Amino acid sequence: DAGVIQSPRHEVTEMGQEVTLRCKPISGHDYLFWYRQTMMRGLELLIYFNNNVPIDDSGMPEDRFSAKMPNASFSTLKIQPSEPRDSAVYFCASTQSGGGQPQHFGDGTRLSIL
Amino acid sequence: KQEVTQIPAALSVPEGENLVLNCSFTDSAIYNLQWFRQDPGKGLTSLLLIQSSQREQTSGRLNASLDKSSGRSTLYIAASQPGDSATYLCAVPETSGSRLTFGEGTQLTVNP
Repeated sequence: DAGVIQSPRHEVTEMGQEVTLRCKPISGHDYLFWYRQTMMRGLELLIYFNNNVPIDDSGMPEDRFSAKMPNASFSTLKIQPSEPRDSAVYFCASTQSGGGQPQHFGDGTRLSIL
Repeated sequence: KQEVTQIPAALSVPEGENLVLNCSFTDSAIYNLQWFRQDPGKGLTSLLLIQSSQREQTSGRLNASLDKSSGRSTLYIAASQPGDSATYLCAVPETSGSRLTFGEGTQLTVNP
C-alpha cells in the first residue's frame, strides 16, 4: 500500500513568496493532519480535517497560513507571504476513524525561507 | 491541557543492551497511546499503539506498556542494535482520531 505522499520533499524560496505544500493521504483514511516540526517547538499540529472538513485549525500560526482539502485524496497547505520563521519540516498524516487507529505520516516537506 | 514528557532526552548504549524509554502524561483520560520512531530526515513511523483498555503491546523486540492511573508508558527494546538508533516519540490523542499531543522525544544511539 502506498503511504502518505507529500510533495515537494524540499522547498527553498525567498521571503514573501507563496509556498504550497501538497499531501495525498492513504486511501480510505478519513482524517488528515498537518504538522510542523522545528527544533525549538518540536511537533505542532496546525490543522486537521475529517471527511474533508476542517475540524480544528487552532494551531495555524496566523492568517498567512491556509489549508484546503477539496477531496478525500488531496490536501494543500499554503503560506502567503512566506517568512524566514516559517522554515521547518511540515508533515502530513492520515488515519482511519473508529477504534483508535494509528496515524501514518508522510516523509515531510523541508521548507527553507531565505 | 494534556502535557507529555519523555525521559531521558538522549540515551547512548552499547549494542546488545536492553533498554527502557519513558513517557508520562498529565491527563489520564486518554483513548490510546502511540509510540513512533523518527529517523533523520524522515517522517514518523508508527511502532506500537496501545488502547486505553490494554496494559501492553508487543512487536518483535519492542514491548510497550501503559499504566493510565499513573500516567505512564514505557517502551522496552530488547537486545538493541545499531539500526535501532533514532528518535522515539510517544503521543496521546484527546479523542479517537483527533489531535495528538507529542512528547519531545528520546534520541537513542546504539553503538556497535
